[in-house]
Amino acid sequence: AAGVIQSPRHLIKEKRETATLKCYPIPRHDTVYWYQQGPGQDPQFLISFYEKMQSDKGSIPDRFSAQQFSDYHSELNMSSLELGDSALYFCASRSQTASSYEQYFGPGTRLTVT
Amino acid sequence: EDKVVQSPLSLVVHEGDTVTLNCSYEVTNFRSLLWYKQEKKAPTFLFMLTSSGIEKKSGRLSSILDKKELFSILNITATQTGDSAVYLCATTPSNYKLTFGKGTLLTVNP
Repeated sequence: AAGVIQSPRHLIKEKRETATLKCYPIPRHDTVYWYQQGPGQDPQFLISFYEKMQSDKGSIPDRFSAQQFSDYHSELNMSSLELGDSALYFCASRSQTASSYEQYFGPGTRLTVT
Repeated sequence: EDKVVQSPLSLVVHEGDTVTLNCSYEVTNFRSLLWYKQEKKAPTFLFMLTSSGIEKKSGRLSSILDKKELFSILNITATQTGDSAVYLCATTPSNYKLTFGKGTLLTVNP
């Protein structure tokens, strides 16, 4: 079965650079969630989108922005990167139309800021 | 603020043992509770619980929810080394974003 796809899988950036992470949800899933997981931490919710509109916002820094496109894929844009942004970034998808609460996670993008 | 608390934080057992992982929560507009298994990669979905007292079962894993006492347990019987992982409990309130607990690190020794 198709799963959530994230790219790139690994990314190394320097401080003050920008990064773009991509997420392709499971086919027919209309809702995308972004989570940040620091070393040894539980995942923290950043932001979510339903039908291309932002549906909820968590602890996402102002330096980050995200959007969902007409094909339901989503991109997380991160600017002025800081060392503390080094983390695993997960995207999860869900079908709100099917009234399902289950979220399925992608493999994650490991971002290292040096 | 929504809160999910898991215990124990870490557990070391021998193969064949049975373990019980706990998850308690305080959530506004609770919808469901989910269990995930995380190895060195993305969390893998295990169970979703929405109703009290109904046990969900998958092989050696089972889970149940108590909405009156606001907790859930995840049982693993006849543990195997492949069960070693972090087990995450998460709740979804009405806006469906997941709030995770800190996780329980389970280590199963041969």
